Amino acid sequence: GAGVSQSPRYKVAKRGQDVALRCDPISGHVSLFWYQQALGQGPEFLTYFQNEAQLDKSGLPSDRFFAERPEGSVSTLKIQRTQQEDSAVYLCASSLGQFQETQYFGPGTRLLVL
Amino acid sequence: RKEVEQDPGPFNVPEGATVAFNCTYSNSASQSFFWYRQDCRKEPKLLMSVYSSGNEDGRFTAQLNRASQYISLLIRDSKLSDSATYLCVVNNENTGGFKTIFGAGTRLFVKA
Repeated sequence: GAGVSQSPRYKVAKRGQDVALRCDPISGHVSLFWYQQALGQGPEFLTYFQNEAQLDKSGLPSDRFFAERPEGSVSTLKIQRTQQEDSAVYLCASSLGQFQETQYFGPGTRLLVL
Repeated sequence: RKEVEQDPGPFNVPEGATVAFNCTYSNSASQSFFWYRQDCRKEPKLLMSVYSSGNEDGRFTAQLNRASQYISLLIRDSKLSDSATYLCVVNNENTGGFKTIFGAGTRLFVKA
């Protein structure tokens, strides 16, 4: 079956530009996570959704970062006024049930801010 | 102190060797634990869940010690294809929220 998909796979943005990253979770998965992964580091938690409810956004690094999942399926991570330090791989993961279950990851979006 | 700590390695081992990775976590209320594997420029993939009773999947054995807040992964009879980064993962669910914490990963190179 289809796994988690993310688009675009690669994004180059000029500093100050807004970007939107999309995640399509596995159909029927309740939980959805966003992570930021810098080179040589493990993924850093950004935010967690259970259906359409954003239950934890404590990992979002600044108010320039915003995530939504309005209908409880597709999610978008938006970064406003991008900075060079935002350059990273943004990973999305989904899990079938609630928070504690196995997470399945998408291929990620590689963001480069120039 | 990081919430989840791993030895970054790299571990360089010959084929057939046994190698062990350790991970410590700081939140005693953490509820679930996993090992994920990540190949270069790929997404993380679940290797195995970790339980206090220990669990084994073929050449891989994982163990959780709640008292010491310590997680381990043992790989026996290493294969070239085991070369990857191994990520220790801890889930924290409490009244403050829901957070999944990854370690920085331990790199393993298995050589012929």
